[in-house]
Amino acid sequence: GDSVTQMEGPVTLSEEAFLTINCTYTATGYPSLFWYVQYPGEGLQLLLKATKADDKGSNKGFEATYRKETTSFHLEKGSVQVSDSAVYFCALSDPPTGNQFYFGTGTSLTVIP
Amino acid sequence: NAGVMQNPRHLVRRRGQEARLRCSPMKGHSHVYWYRQLPEEGLKFMVYLQKENIIDESGMPKERFSAEFPKEGPSILRIQQVVRGDSAAYFCASSPREQGGNEQYFGPGTRLTVT
Repeated sequence: GDSVTQMEGPVTLSEEAFLTINCTYTATGYPSLFWYVQYPGEGLQLLLKATKADDKGSNKGFEATYRKETTSFHLEKGSVQVSDSAVYFCALSDPPTGNQFYFGTGTSLTVIP
Repeated sequence: NAGVMQNPRHLVRRRGQEARLRCSPMKGHSHVYWYRQLPEEGLKFMVYLQKENIIDESGMPKERFSAEFPKEGPSILRIQQVVRGDSAAYFCASSPREQGGNEQYFGPGTRLTVT
């Protein structure tokens, strides 16, 4: 079945450090891939997405590239800020129905000044 | 344009009581999804509804849980005779699938505590 495996946290970085959060997936079809961010006490916000192989999603300085050969969608940011502290979820939606999203377990990021 | 609305944000119920969680999708969206998030875990799919229809309930527990999305009004997730294990955050999402998009937009969640 479909699944998402995410790098376990928590991750603690200093401000301006480079961030990588690993995500790999298993899917029966050709999924769309997503990163969501959850701030404390809030719902999930869509951060970026990619719908086909080699697509790069980007938003707010975050990037992730859909790698079909390695079934990966790693999240990166060149210089993190304190305000990036949150939990990050990798997710996939698998056509043709795409009825549900499959989520990773989340990676907690804390950025310290 | 208001996002997905959920209420209440926090709900406390005693064991054996009923819990009703409400979700209003984004304007123009008629596809609603419910997910449950247990502490320290990711979201698990429960049910997918379109107006007046349950499309996929493969993630719903067979007993005590039900969902509806009437023609008028919000979607309701109903949990009867709650138990401590039902304590979790319940998130609703809506999708613009009728417009060709497949991303899901999430509400702020209802945090259910069963005492």
